[in-house]
Amino acid sequence: DTAVSQTPKYLVTQMGNDKSIKCEQNLGHDTMYWYKQDSKKFLKIMFSYNNKELIINETVPNRFSPKSPDKAHLNLHINSLELGDSAVYFCASSQESVGGAWNEQYFGPGTRLTVT
Amino acid sequence: KQEVTQIPAALSVPEGENLVLNCSFTDSAIYNLQWFRQDPGKGLTSLLLIQSSQREQTSGRLNASLDKSSGRSTLYIAASQPGDSATYLCAVKEGETSGSRLTFGEGTQLTVNP
Repeated sequence: DTAVSQTPKYLVTQMGNDKSIKCEQNLGHDTMYWYKQDSKKFLKIMFSYNNKELIINETVPNRFSPKSPDKAHLNLHINSLELGDSAVYFCASSQESVGGAWNEQYFGPGTRLTVT
Repeated sequence: KQEVTQIPAALSVPEGENLVLNCSFTDSAIYNLQWFRQDPGKGLTSLLLIQSSQREQTSGRLNASLDKSSGRSTLYIAASQPGDSATYLCAVKEGETSGSRLTFGEGTQLTVNP
């Protein structure tokens, strides 16, 4: 069974559209993350949720809005897509509470977003 | 602000060779360090995690060391195989709390030639 899953795997859309990416983890972790990997393969944190509460919010345009309906899900909605949003978006999860296997992070397979 | 650097950016070796990948970080006040592997078009697979109080971790042919005071970690791969070809990423976690960030290096792209 896939530990951290994301849908869709590929997303091609035009500028100005609104799109969502979904993430689910079945590891029972309490913390979930969104990362962006740019064309140079550099990974950078965007958001983090702990027990459905936003705890990390990097300098990301407010066109990006994460939503965590429950501990196992973290979705990313992007409004008014721009060319520069093209990247691979990764979801990850970890157990951050005491006794949480040293906060090891597990990553999903990624969503490749292409904005044309 | 924590910065993580990985050297070399790319490495090509013949099969069977032992090799070392390097990772350095600017702020030694870390909670843990994690090595990942990323295959082309795929997600990240966690290889080894070293707590700040540890010196090394081993898994099969992989051995990761940590010298926290000098801000360095190495990933040693023994008897490399073509299947080891991938990008290897190093990441450090600032602190224990859930608000602590994982800061990544830019990776070392490893090619093991048969």
